Amino acid sequence: SQQGEEDPQALSIQEGENATMNCSYKTSINNLQWYRQNSGRGLVHLILIRSNEREKHSGRLRVTLDTSKKSSSLLITASRAADTASYFCATLNFGNEKLTFGTGTRLTIIP
Amino acid sequence: NAGVTQTPKFQVLKTGQSMTLQCAQDMNHEYMSWYRQDPGMGLRLIHYSVGAGITDQGEVPNGYNVSRSTTEDFPLRLLSAAPSQTSVYFCASREDRGLGNTIYFGEGSWLTVV
Repeated sequence: SQQGEEDPQALSIQEGENATMNCSYKTSINNLQWYRQNSGRGLVHLILIRSNEREKHSGRLRVTLDTSKKSSSLLITASRAADTASYFCATLNFGNEKLTFGTGTRLTIIP
Repeated sequence: NAGVTQTPKFQVLKTGQSMTLQCAQDMNHEYMSWYRQDPGMGLRLIHYSVGAGITDQGEVPNGYNVSRSTTEDFPLRLLSAAPSQTSVYFCASREDRGLGNTIYFGEGSWLTVV
């Protein structure tokens, strides 16, 4: 079964707007990671947030983590056409060394 | 840096054939794993390894075998291919235990079983 669930499943916004994607997970984690996948390509690591962190920034990306609610959000500010991709959250449980992915959010930026 | 290298990129198999997907990493990572990605289901863990000589099953191990004779290589073997194994396969690796270790993925192997 999937550990994470992204919300929404699909999102279309105008270029320049902000995009927010949410991820919920089920079990205790050591870290949560966000990945981007362009159509027909591999996964690219975006940002990692540890379980003892609440917020992290990287360029136009902002990630939050609420371990009490078992949820995370990814905010992309000032979106660009090149941000069009699928975005996945993934959680790592060191107890069994499994990196478990959500089902992804398909983001489309309209020029 | 080569990172994680997967071969082949594309493969078509007939039902019942066997094949091996190769994965190699040049980062001296202890941990390696194989995932499959199917439409609408995200990535699912097939097998993983925490070091040379050690492997374990993930969520969907049936029909696949792995071995880890060296730190660098982690091949995935399909014993008798079935149409249900049509998927995109990703190999990944990461460093030792720690809260902040990034996972690196290969570019993927597209497999079609007819």
